[in-house]
Amino acid sequence: DQQVKQNSPSLSVQEGRISILNCDYTNSMFDYFLWYKKYPAEGPTFLISISSIKDKNEDGRFTVFLNKSAKHLSLHIVPSQPGDSAVYFCAASGTDKLIFGTGTRLQVFP
Amino acid sequence: DTEVTQTPKHLVMGMTNKKSLKCEQHMGHRAMYWYKQKAKKPPELMFVYSYEKLSINESVPSRFSPECPNSSLLNLHLHALQPEDSALYLCASSQTGGHEAFFGQGTRLTVV
Repeated sequence: DQQVKQNSPSLSVQEGRISILNCDYTNSMFDYFLWYKKYPAEGPTFLISISSIKDKNEDGRFTVFLNKSAKHLSLHIVPSQPGDSAVYFCAASGTDKLIFGTGTRLQVFP
Repeated sequence: DTEVTQTPKHLVMGMTNKKSLKCEQHMGHRAMYWYKQKAKKPPELMFVYSYEKLSINESVPSRFSPECPNSSLLNLHLHALQPEDSALYLCASSQTGGHEAFFGQGTRLTVV
């Protein structure tokens, strides 16, 4: 049973435009959500997080939105840069562990 | 220092071998984790240590044996592994009760 889902396995965006990555979850007990960026054969790198009591958190080019009623969160990257090309995982936190989504491969082309 | 260091980076082992993966962090985190990641899949939690005590064991086969000698170190002892155990093994740490986990670079394990 996949509690955290990323329904788009891949996304291609032109440099300078907005990238929007989506994530859905099923467990309403999750209290914290995170986004990680991952390059092949490397560990995930933490990007940004949001508490379940908030609906938006912004850090530079990255903004995460949380819609609790829809059990949905999204990561906006603007402007997108070629260096943003990687796999992005959303993760949900509950009881001492992170549960990861299936990942979305973002490709930013010039 | 926000680094989690894993050694070795790559490991090839036979099914009868015994080997260990090592993980170290100096951020003062008291929670440490082992994850396993297969190709094109998300990381899957294996074990959680909190204050050097095993707090979560996600029904991992006994051929994987974790050890937490102190608050900065986490080992994963491997014995009699199967080819399907080949994967990227990731170590992570976080503040206890915290949410942001910091990951190491991983050990790419190949069982032959």
